[in-house]
Amino acid sequence: DVKVTQSSRYLVKRTGEKVFLECVQDMDHENMFWYRQDPGLGLRLIYFSYDVKMKEKGDIPEGYSVSREKKERFSLILESASTNQTSMYLCASREGGSNYEQYFGPGTRLTVT
Amino acid sequence: AQKITQTQPGMFVQEKEAVTLDCTYDTSDQSYGLFWYKQPSSGEMIFLIYQGSYDEQNATEGRYSLNFQKARKSANLVISASQLGDSAMYFCAMRDKPSTGGGNKLTFGTGTQLKVEL
Repeated sequence: DVKVTQSSRYLVKRTGEKVFLECVQDMDHENMFWYRQDPGLGLRLIYFSYDVKMKEKGDIPEGYSVSREKKERFSLILESASTNQTSMYLCASREGGSNYEQYFGPGTRLTVT
Repeated sequence: AQKITQTQPGMFVQEKEAVTLDCTYDTSDQSYGLFWYKQPSSGEMIFLIYQGSYDEQNATEGRYSLNFQKARKSANLVISASQLGDSAMYFCAMRDKPSTGGGNKLTFGTGTQLKVEL
């Protein structure tokens, strides 16, 4: 079974802190994704990566950056956390080619105070 | 730009009955795909079913079927014989064409909260 893990289920940070959210997948997937989920807005794509060191902006990249130094790991970075970044963050991965299913991690609920 | 619309914020259904969750989409691409995901209260996203735009038959997976009407741009999820464990949030999503890098982005709807009652 594909397993996508995220470093924390719950995280509380202060405004202005630098925050790292880590995601690891164990199926050698080429593509990895970061979403945020807010009530009434569904899931929105922040960034994705289709290969090591490669990344593309999603729909809401402002205030975030990402890093993918190894194939299995994709990190989301909040350079200076703000209260409007309080949200649920979901990581996903996908094989390349025509298998389009994305496999999701359990999510990290981030609160910025 | 792609858009997914789910107009039912909440739905109730009696156990053992069938229920249809609505999803309409908008895209200018000829090649696209539609997904349904289930999110229980635990928070994990569970893949249910996928329909490609060129698939001629409606997708089915066990008690789940996707009623794909291309001309109407709708991709409704039908759950037959509802069970208490089906209570969850359900998201419709659409993939776009591969980007330069080959990854497919998903655009999600806002979700429908389904509650199955005895």
